[in-house]
Amino acid sequence: DGGITQSPKYLFRKEGQNVTLSCEQNLNHDAMYWYRQDPGQGLRLIYYSQIVNDFQKGDIAEGYSVSREKKESFPLTVTSAQKNPTAFYLCATSKVGPVRDGYTFGSGTRLTVV
Amino acid sequence: GEDVEQSLFLSVREGDSSVINCTYTDSSSTYLYWYKQEPGAGLQLLTYIFSNMDMKQDQRLTVLLNKKDKHLSLRIADTQTGDSAIYFCAETLTGANNLFFGTGTRLTVIP
Repeated sequence: DGGITQSPKYLFRKEGQNVTLSCEQNLNHDAMYWYRQDPGQGLRLIYYSQIVNDFQKGDIAEGYSVSREKKESFPLTVTSAQKNPTAFYLCATSKVGPVRDGYTFGSGTRLTVV
Repeated sequence: GEDVEQSLFLSVREGDSSVINCTYTDSSSTYLYWYKQEPGAGLQLLTYIFSNMDMKQDQRLTVLLNKKDKHLSLRIADTQTGDSAIYFCAETLTGANNLFFGTGTRLTVIP
């Protein structure tokens, strides 16, 4: 079955550590996105990529980094510069162009700073 | 295209109809969407409507679009406890690839 795999489902980070969240897809979608979700605040776009080796900052990119070396993979690194990283992180994919089909979402990673 | 508003909470009794509302500000919207998010999960696309349509029905779901007022609604008939979730509306604009999401409405169904 085609889909998006986010791992791990739960992640704990000590203050000052970098952590990397994985997002892998086999939908053959060109575009991939990372969102952060906090209670009562909806979804906020962190980074997105429409083609391999290229990506753009979203609304809250500070303290995060990404790479897009393969079409199937779009890992997100939460760096120590991100002051309040505890949140639910969602990866999504779509076709590029008029997005009639919308986005397909992964099941999310919940990151907690301890 | 980034001001998509929803009320935060809605409670209904099992068997009643639920109506979740959304307003947007950009008149160049092309597609508008409704997503459902169950606890601890990702978002699932429920339905979408093209901007030249007024209404779309899919089983228990009815989407109404009022372009003049920039108002989108999702009606769920015969609401069940399994419909309890957060519902997000979203829009995409002419020539754009990104979706803009509302803040989400948490629907609670009371048995």
